[in-house]
Amino acid sequence: GENVEQHPSTLSVQEGDSAVIKCTYSDSASNYFPWYKQELGKGPQLIIDIRSNVGEKKDQRIAVTLNKTAKHFSLHITETQPEDSAVYFCAAGGFLSGGYNKLIFGAGTRLAVHP
Amino acid sequence: GAGVSQSPSNKVTEKGKDVELRCDPISGHTALYWYRQRLGQGLEFLIYFQGNSAPDKSGLPSDRFSAERTGESVSTLTIQRTQQEDSAVYLCASTLTGVNTEAFFGQGTRLTVV
Repeated sequence: GENVEQHPSTLSVQEGDSAVIKCTYSDSASNYFPWYKQELGKGPQLIIDIRSNVGEKKDQRIAVTLNKTAKHFSLHITETQPEDSAVYFCAAGGFLSGGYNKLIFGAGTRLAVHP
Repeated sequence: GAGVSQSPSNKVTEKGKDVELRCDPISGHTALYWYRQRLGQGLEFLIYFQGNSAPDKSGLPSDRFSAERTGESVSTLTIQRTQQEDSAVYLCASTLTGVNTEAFFGQGTRLTVV
């Protein structure tokens, strides 16, 4: 079945360093790759997404890259700050035919940014 | 309301009882998901509704789990004969269309089976 693998499961960095989280997906029909941030006690919130016609997208300190051939995509956070500490989830969508979207999530990465 | 609303926010139930969880999606959103999140774990897909199409129930873990949605409005997730392993946060999300758009999540319902 559809599968999204995410690594690492935990990541600890010093404030100001960069953080990279990587995901791979199994279904080559996937064409939408969002990243969500979940803070304690809250539902996940979208922080950035990328579609399969784009290789890279950047929004201030965060960027995503997509390699469709290898079926993997990554989240890059630069100049990390303590408020970046949260659980980050990658997801892949577009498994179903007819243009319908079904988001399958990775297992999550717990990021801790230490002052 | 402005966002996805879920109720109750917390539910404690005795093993063997049935529970019903409710999700009010953002008005106009055609697609709706239910996910389960066990403590410290990822988001486990349960079921997906898209407009008037037959729902994708492939993630429901057993026949004790069922969900309904009337048109493009409220959805209810029902768990019958609850077990302790059903304890988790149940998250609902809705999207404007079914085609690769942002999913907005509710705050979740924390279910504890004692």
